[in-house]
Amino acid sequence: GEDVEQSLFLSVREGDSSVINCTYTDSSSTYLYWYKQEPGAGLQLLTYIFSNMDMKQDQRLTVLLNKKDKHLSLRIADTQTGDSAIYFCAETPGGYNKLIFGAGTRLAVHP
Amino acid sequence: GAVVSQHPSRVICKSGTSVKIECRSLDFQATTMFWYRQFPKQSLMLMATSNEGSKATYEQGVEKDKFLINHASLTLSTLTVASAHPEDSSFYICSARDQTGGYGYTFGSGTRLTVV
Repeated sequence: GEDVEQSLFLSVREGDSSVINCTYTDSSSTYLYWYKQEPGAGLQLLTYIFSNMDMKQDQRLTVLLNKKDKHLSLRIADTQTGDSAIYFCAETPGGYNKLIFGAGTRLAVHP
Repeated sequence: GAVVSQHPSRVICKSGTSVKIECRSLDFQATTMFWYRQFPKQSLMLMATSNEGSKATYEQGVEKDKFLINHASLTLSTLTVASAHPEDSSFYICSARDQTGGYGYTFGSGTRLTVV
């Protein structure tokens, strides 16, 4: 089946690291994605990871993939107030076509 | 990078009228585009996959006669909400995948539809 689950809310202090977790169900997903959505806006691709990778780092963002447990995480280092948004993880069931999204994690960054 | 333009960004219409939303890939060709619907504080629900030159593929539970999709060219897909009713009010977002480079799906900025 196609199902992606995320915790709904995360609150962190400015300067700390944020870790957003996601579990997915389709082991054939070729790519897994993290998107950011600010209020009233579309989705911005943050990063993606190929299914044969365990980790990918891109500046402040680190993605960890545990294929055995079908668990994906996004770590944001030195979280800033501008990082406050909703973060969606998404899988590509059956390989490489449509995206299926999780419910989104609302990240709140406070001073 | 790849850019997807979506118009209009906001529309208010009367119940019973039809509304057309456009999704354009500006600097790449998209043989496939996707249409999503998002309710307030909820995730994106895939409505249909739009294929250039052929019929769209609708997800289960999505009314084909209500949400008409046309993908007439490699850079344009349209979603028409036919005979809109208040329950159709939502945020509609399109996306496209640039097959020539990268593996990300680029999203439009969304259309807020309000049916009164």
